[in-house]
Amino acid sequence: GQQLNQSPQSMFIQEGEDVSMNCTSSSIFNTWLWYKQDPGEGPVLLIALYKAGELTSNGRLTAQFGITRKDSFLNISASIPSDVGIYFCAGQEGGQNFGNEKLTFGTGTRLTIIP
Amino acid sequence: DSGVTQTPKHLITATGQRVTLRCSPRSGDLSVYWYQQSLDQGLQFLIQYYNGEERAKGNILERFSAQQFPDLHSELNLSSLELGDSALYFCASSVVPGATEQYFGPGTRLTVT
Repeated sequence: GQQLNQSPQSMFIQEGEDVSMNCTSSSIFNTWLWYKQDPGEGPVLLIALYKAGELTSNGRLTAQFGITRKDSFLNISASIPSDVGIYFCAGQEGGQNFGNEKLTFGTGTRLTIIP
Repeated sequence: DSGVTQTPKHLITATGQRVTLRCSPRSGDLSVYWYQQSLDQGLQFLIQYYNGEERAKGNILERFSAQQFPDLHSELNLSSLELGDSALYFCASSVVPGATEQYFGPGTRLTVT
């Protein structure tokens, strides 16, 4: 099945550092979502983006919907220990076409904080 | 807590067997989605139901089937299980099919031995 390209695959950072990750697709999406998954848990929705060029924040998290509609970016500022986990982007075609609500997920970015 | 519940949390079974995974959507959500997460394929969409009817199908094997009941809970049936079916199975729900935000349950970890 299709997966979106997400980079970097993993990040090792120190507490307090800022983090940036991105997601690219070969096809256009009308909605981009960012999820975080902890081990053994389900993905938790962090941010939803609905319009090309949109910049949305949720606390220390900021995400952007790329102008081409084929990419999205997530930034985390001043990382803390609870930010550890796997971050997934997800695109949704949506629109008027029947049954286009499924999410296509990225390959994930694993964030580790080094003591 | 997303409000989506899934049972069981873990399931261990043998090849060739059949299992049923259960999902209850968030209160008020009408659409249910099933996803499979494996190490090699990542998170993949399987199937979507809305108000009891199948709405979209993804990479779901013919050995797998699902349904949504009048009380809106959903079941995913996996039969003739193979080792490669071992994975995390997630259910997600949204208010209506057109709603973009999907909320995921805690998942069922299936191990086929």
